[in-house]
Amino acid sequence: RKEVEQDPGPFNVPEGATVAFNCTYSNSASQSFFWYRQDCRKEPKLLMSVYSSGNEDGRFTAQLNRASQYISLLIRDSKLSDSATYLCAFTGYSSASKIIFGSGTRLSIRP
Amino acid sequence: DGGITQSPKYLFRKEGQNVTLSCEQNLNHDAMYWYRQDPGQGLRLIYYSQIVNDFQKGDIAEGYSVSREKKESFPLTVTSAQKNPTAFYLCASLNWRVSNQPQHFGDGTRLSIL
Repeated sequence: RKEVEQDPGPFNVPEGATVAFNCTYSNSASQSFFWYRQDCRKEPKLLMSVYSSGNEDGRFTAQLNRASQYISLLIRDSKLSDSATYLCAFTGYSSASKIIFGSGTRLSIRP
Repeated sequence: DGGITQSPKYLFRKEGQNVTLSCEQNLNHDAMYWYRQDPGQGLRLIYYSQIVNDFQKGDIAEGYSVSREKKESFPLTVTSAQKNPTAFYLCASLNWRVSNQPQHFGDGTRLSIL
């Protein structure tokens, strides 16, 4: 099984829609989980950390399912400006300093 | 403001030439990282350093070298042995001494072959 698997998309949804995507990880010892947003030709920027109890930041909701080993990101009322690539990330099993990144899910919001 | 500075923003390499990409951080983070990103692809780890004077190979270290003589600096040299160096290079840092901390990224260097 790969360390991390992420649906590459692209997801193409209309403005105002709700969209969700997942990221599965293979190492049950992973402790920290994150979602990053990367715009075209830019660096990844932290969108939100993912906490065990789930967390929300405005239109964005992140959840962690340890039993099934995946994290999810839900975007409600999507905006044109949400168009980007979303990368999941988590700590590796060998060291708290090694972060594993997914290859990203491309999201395109159409008017 | 604290952050990570990468320079130059764009770099061109001639055949057989070594080039060095700079990465400096003033976040007082122990760990620093170099990633390579090709168009439409994810991040691939080249080298990382958990602490000053120590570094480890990542998944694609061949053709690259690094040093970590100072906590705030982690330069990456792309050697002539790297036959396909054209890519977007990202430097990142992390305070791993505190749990649940994310990586912070510089704004990248685009390297192209002349």
